[in-house]
Amino acid sequence: GQSLEQPSEVTAVEGAIVQINCTYQTSGFYGLSWYQQHDGGAPTFLSYNALDGLEETGRFSSFLSRSDSYGYLLLQELQMKDSASYFCAVKGLDSSYKLIFGSGTRLLVRP
Amino acid sequence: DAGITQSPRHKVTETGTPVTLRCHQTENHRYMYWYRQDPGHGLRLIHYSYGVKDTDKGEVSDGYSVSRSKTEDFLLTLESATSSQTSVYFCAISEPGLAGGTDTQYFGPGTRLTVL
Repeated sequence: GQSLEQPSEVTAVEGAIVQINCTYQTSGFYGLSWYQQHDGGAPTFLSYNALDGLEETGRFSSFLSRSDSYGYLLLQELQMKDSASYFCAVKGLDSSYKLIFGSGTRLLVRP
Repeated sequence: DAGITQSPRHKVTETGTPVTLRCHQTENHRYMYWYRQDPGHGLRLIHYSYGVKDTDKGEVSDGYSVSRSKTEDFLLTLESATSSQTSVYFCAISEPGLAGGTDTQYFGPGTRLTVL
């Protein structure tokens, strides 16, 4: 089976840097994705790591280490609008293209 | 934004009644998914479809059925709603690319269902 663990809540100050971790137990997967969800809204895609290493998209970066069964999302220059829930997800090796989501990390950005 | 709509957006119903939620897409994506979201559980897959009339179960399929008679529509039915099915339901779509690719899922706005 597959399971992903994330911290339930993280608090940070506007302008700071925050890292949201995702550890997983899975027999194999194609890649690690990150989704953002604001309160009352729908999840939206942020980033994807197919290979180990760092992927950068503007203020957001995502990292994957398959040997450590670990990934993280890094948010820089935090803004109030970054307050949201963040979910990591893996796509299994079967043909279903299903995503298995972590339980999510609620990020609160304070002034 | 991907063209995905869900109806109804809000519904209150009573235990034991049947409920059908509709997901409609205008993107002609092959894959469609139904998730439920509950506090502390993230998004859990109920059922998914990989083509017209082709569906399969997800991790929390008990008490739910689905149908897909057209590419653009994916229906989720609760045959006899229970209070444990009170949740927010999201539909998502994706178009598979190469193996190992992103296969981003695009989500609809959600349906908030309350079963009394």
